[in-house]
Amino acid sequence: RKEVEQDPGPFNVPEGATVAFNCTYSNSASQSFFWYRQDCRKEPKLLMSVYSSGNEDGRFTAQLNRASQYISLLIRDSKLSDSATYLCVVITFNTGGFKTIFGAGTRLFVKA
Amino acid sequence: NAGVMQNPRHLVRRRGQEARLRCSPMKGHSHVYWYRQLPEEGLKFMVYLQKENIIDESGMPKERFSAEFPKEGPSILRIQQVVRGDSAAYFCASSGAYRGRPFQTEAFFGQGTRLTVV
Repeated sequence: RKEVEQDPGPFNVPEGATVAFNCTYSNSASQSFFWYRQDCRKEPKLLMSVYSSGNEDGRFTAQLNRASQYISLLIRDSKLSDSATYLCVVITFNTGGFKTIFGAGTRLFVKA
Repeated sequence: NAGVMQNPRHLVRRRGQEARLRCSPMKGHSHVYWYRQLPEEGLKFMVYLQKENIIDESGMPKERFSAEFPKEGPSILRIQQVVRGDSAAYFCASSGAYRGRPFQTEAFFGQGTRLTVV
């Protein structure tokens, strides 16, 4: 089983739609969680951190469920500019110390 | 505080040559990650290094690829005897200690090096 798994998509949604991505992680000792965004041919950039209490930033809401070991990202009122790949990132602890692990990403296409 | 710096941004090599990709992490960061991304594909983990140590190289091809992160200077990803299939974007990311505690900050990426093998 991969340490971090995401549905690769693609998700094709119309403008204004609400779309949700999930990401599961395998190591219960994981410490920190993030969502990154990657635009075509650009480097990934931090979108938001994920906390157990939930984290909202405008149209974006991120949540962590430690019991089920997954994190989610909800995008409301999708815009064309939201089209990108969304990467789930987990900082986990193992015998080698802390390590940052990226999911393979979920592709989102928002269409007019 | 400059971000993660990768150079060169674009690199063209003929088959059989060597490619050297450099990554200078953010100031204060001692963890470096290298990823490869083929066109239309996701990031693929290659190697994780801390200063002078390779922590995890499970994503590195066994032959022709090597990485180092010396005490002084940038991290280097070296590809010997390049082949066309090595053409990809190579991204470096760095992270550091969280406020002096045994946790890591989030990772920050460089703009990548686009390697083209002709």
